[in-house]
Amino acid sequence: GAGVSQSPSNKVTEKGKDVELRCDPISGHTALYWYRQRLGQGLEFLIYFQGNSAPDKSGLPSDRFSAERTGESVSTLTIQRTQQEDSAVYLCASSLAGGANYGYTFGSGTRLTVV
Amino acid sequence: AQRVTQPEKLLSVFKGAPVELKCNYSYSGSPELFWYVQYSRQRLQLLLRHISRESIKGFTADLNKGETSFHLKKPFAQEEDSAMYYCALSISGYSTLTFGKGTMLLVSP
Repeated sequence: GAGVSQSPSNKVTEKGKDVELRCDPISGHTALYWYRQRLGQGLEFLIYFQGNSAPDKSGLPSDRFSAERTGESVSTLTIQRTQQEDSAVYLCASSLAGGANYGYTFGSGTRLTVV
Repeated sequence: AQRVTQPEKLLSVFKGAPVELKCNYSYSGSPELFWYVQYSRQRLQLLLRHISRESIKGFTADLNKGETSFHLKKPFAQEEDSAMYYCALSISGYSTLTFGKGTMLLVSP
């Protein structure tokens, strides 16, 4: 597609349930990033993929969070046993190679609400 | 660890007035600095990067290493400039961006 696609756009889940968030990057973008934005806060880095490997996953807040990527394509962020503090907008971005200087292209995000 | 600070949550100006969105950073090396913008109901997008020394939509930003600042400026604000602006930093040779909390710019007619 022409842009970064994220699904679902909105997700309401009950506390304790698992959720999967999907990101489809721009074709040819080898780098993919997940960020989280809580209400009133800045963007919080979660994980970075170069191809299907994750050289930096230092931002994952707990072992309930995991992510994978298939080749240079789709990535899935999984949150297990969701908690209310997981409520946020989850943003995915992709870029050419692994350089911030190429500029990130962001998706429209998934708004996750844990009730 | 590196940090980006945007001291103003909200900046409100009148059309035609000068605008300066402040950004300060903490990092001991030579960072790469960026401004991203999110217009209402649109996606976050790159506005400009210091390495390009470019002017986009009338906005400029100069990296001041002495003051560790990268303030975004425009001499005459337009209503269509109203948006959320994020300053971001990348460590040279390292890919991920560290973002500030953002400043909402409101330009009134």
